[in-house]
Amino acid sequence: DAGVIQSPRHEVTEMGQEVTLRCKPISGHDYLFWYRQTMMRGLELLIYFNNNVPIDDSGMPEDRFSAKMPNASFSTLKIQPSEPRDSAVYFCASSSSTGGSAFFGQGTRLTVV
Amino acid sequence: GIQVEQSPPDLILQEGANSTLRCNFSDSVNNLQWFHQNPWGQLINLFYIPSGTKQNGRLSATTVATERYSLLYISSSQTTDSGVYFCAVGTGGFKTIFGAGTRLFVKA
Repeated sequence: DAGVIQSPRHEVTEMGQEVTLRCKPISGHDYLFWYRQTMMRGLELLIYFNNNVPIDDSGMPEDRFSAKMPNASFSTLKIQPSEPRDSAVYFCASSSSTGGSAFFGQGTRLTVV
Repeated sequence: GIQVEQSPPDLILQEGANSTLRCNFSDSVNNLQWFHQNPWGQLINLFYIPSGTKQNGRLSATTVATERYSLLYISSSQTTDSGVYFCAVGTGGFKTIFGAGTRLFVKA
């Protein structure tokens, strides 16, 4: 397996634009997580899914953020409209309910100017 | 919510030295993981260790769940060990919360 795949790796956008981040989890994993990493706040859990169903979205900062998982092999995190304070590295991770560690993608570095 | 505290926040070692990183957590957990974030930002899982002891090469980890702490041991450190080490704990299912990390720099 190629691991967790995120795209794009880097995104620069203007304030007010819509941004969509994408994630393909490891095949067979039934949990998917979205994290945001900043210097000030560290690694924050935004939302996680089990079997494509959102379980806990309490970490989503505002209504401008939304996440979907239409099938077991794809998830998106959307920010609309984007703001400069959304600039961060966004990670996607997946794991299995049978136990074991989570595996992280390489992250998307988002810069909102 | 659960609090995760890691110590020390920063650590500088001479190559070849040993070190112990600590993770304290404020409530019962059903999973605990250690990760290494390398200087390029990649997060690599090291151990899944909700309890007991595991070893992988120069690294080992011990979790004492009843006393709410975990330790990560690095022996014979190398410059490639540099980066940030995170402890992450899970409660109430698979909700996983990260500590602030220990930043390690190994000097050649």
